[in-house]
Amino acid sequence: AQSVTQLGSHVSVSEGALVLLRCNYSSSVPPYLFWYVQYPNQGLQLLLKYTSAATLVKGINGFEAEFKKSETSFHLTKPSAHMSDAAEYFCAVSKGGGNKLTFGTGTQLKVEL
Amino acid sequence: EPEVTQTPSHQVTQMGQEVILRCVPISNHLYFYWYRQILGQKVEFLVSFYNNEISEKSEIFDDQFSVERPDGSNFTLKIRSTKLEDSAMYFCASSEALAGYNEQFFGPGTRLTVL
Repeated sequence: AQSVTQLGSHVSVSEGALVLLRCNYSSSVPPYLFWYVQYPNQGLQLLLKYTSAATLVKGINGFEAEFKKSETSFHLTKPSAHMSDAAEYFCAVSKGGGNKLTFGTGTQLKVEL
Repeated sequence: EPEVTQTPSHQVTQMGQEVILRCVPISNHLYFYWYRQILGQKVEFLVSFYNNEISEKSEIFDDQFSVERPDGSNFTLKIRSTKLEDSAMYFCASSEALAGYNEQFFGPGTRLTVL
C-alpha cells in the first residue's frame, strides 16, 4: 500500500519568506509523487510532479520539490512567499499509469504581511 | 486548453434520494476517476474506470455507488440512496493512457449536500 504523510496541518509564513511544506511517502514500488494546490472553493490544480526523471522538480508559480529516496521525502519549497500562495496544499502518491492517487491530509498555508 | 467539466456545481438532496453527478472528461483521455472530499478532510479515491469497466475501487465505493459511461463523452457517478455522510465535494478526473505516468486532470467538483 502507498501513503503520504504531511507534517503540519497549518503553516504560516511572512510574505517574502521561504515556504517549506513537508511530505514523506511510503511505497513498495518506485513512486510517482505530486503536489496539488486547492484554492478556496476550487478544484485541485497540479503544481508539480516527480516521475523518476530529475530528482529536483520545478513546478508552476515558482514552486519546486526535491525527491530524496534516502529520506523518503518530497518536500515542497518556494524561495519567497506571495499573498496569492495562500491555499491548501496536498501531497499525493501513485503507482503510475492509470492507478489512483493517494492524498495526504493537506497543509493549509497562510501568508501574512 | 481542454479541461474536465462537472455538473451540477452544487446539488442538494434529501436523504434516501438518488443522485447522479455528471462529468465530461478530456476527450482523448482513457482513464476516468471519482474522488471525494468531506469538508475539512483529505481527498479520497472512490473508483477508477477504464475500457468500460471499473479497474479499481475503494472500500467507500459500496453497492450504493455506481459509475457509467453512457455515451462517448459523459462519465457519471450515481448514489442510489443518499446518506447524510455522503455530503462531500465530489471530484472527477481523467488521464490519458496506461503506459508510464500520465497526469490526472481534475474537474472543479460537485458539492453534494444531503439533508
